[in-house]
Amino acid sequence: EAEVAQSPRYKITEKSQAVAFWCDPISGHATLYWYRQILGQGPELLVQFQDESVVDDSQLPKDRFSAERLKGVDSTLKIQPAELGDSAMYLCASSATSVKDTQYFGPGTRLTVL
Amino acid sequence: AQKITQTQPGMFVQEKEAVTLDCTYDTSDQSYGLFWYKQPSSGEMIFLIYQGSYDEQNATEGRYSLNFQKARKSANLVISASQLGDSAMYFCAMSPNTGGFKTIFGAGTRLFVKA
Repeated sequence: EAEVAQSPRYKITEKSQAVAFWCDPISGHATLYWYRQILGQGPELLVQFQDESVVDDSQLPKDRFSAERLKGVDSTLKIQPAELGDSAMYLCASSATSVKDTQYFGPGTRLTVL
Repeated sequence: AQKITQTQPGMFVQEKEAVTLDCTYDTSDQSYGLFWYKQPSSGEMIFLIYQGSYDEQNATEGRYSLNFQKARKSANLVISASQLGDSAMYFCAMSPNTGGFKTIFGAGTRLFVKA
């Protein structure tokens, strides 16, 4: 069964360092999402791609976060510099065309900033 | 503004019994989708069930069914014959079928299944 792949699964870093997360969506899925989930809360959309184009990044803290999906397949989310408040689970999801289609999630990357 | 409300932070259910997890939503869109996801302690989000706003029948997927009441803007998840493996966080989500199709999630309900 096709799955969304994410790496790393866990990341511990010190504040002011740079971190990067990688996501490989289900093959053929045009839409890719990055979510941040703070402990005890629901996921919050950070950025949404349709192929290689950003559809929504209104909740992305652009002074320190960046995301790209250069070839419209896999994607990278970067934080530079990391802050203590960035500690959270970062989830990647993909769907076939748009949110009319079900989003399938990867295992997530749990980030701890010390 | 779009909003999802899950009023039950935690729920207990006896194994083999049914349980209903509440979800209400607020939207001005006429066309939208409603989803339920399960998140075990391992962290991955598992899709359970989908209901379209124009679907006349309530969605069912195995032991999961969605009690959709459009006029009341509620989309409650019913789990029948609870199993110990059902213990997890459950999230209700909504996606409008217009604009940027931005999905929003509720705060979740933690379900505990007792043996």
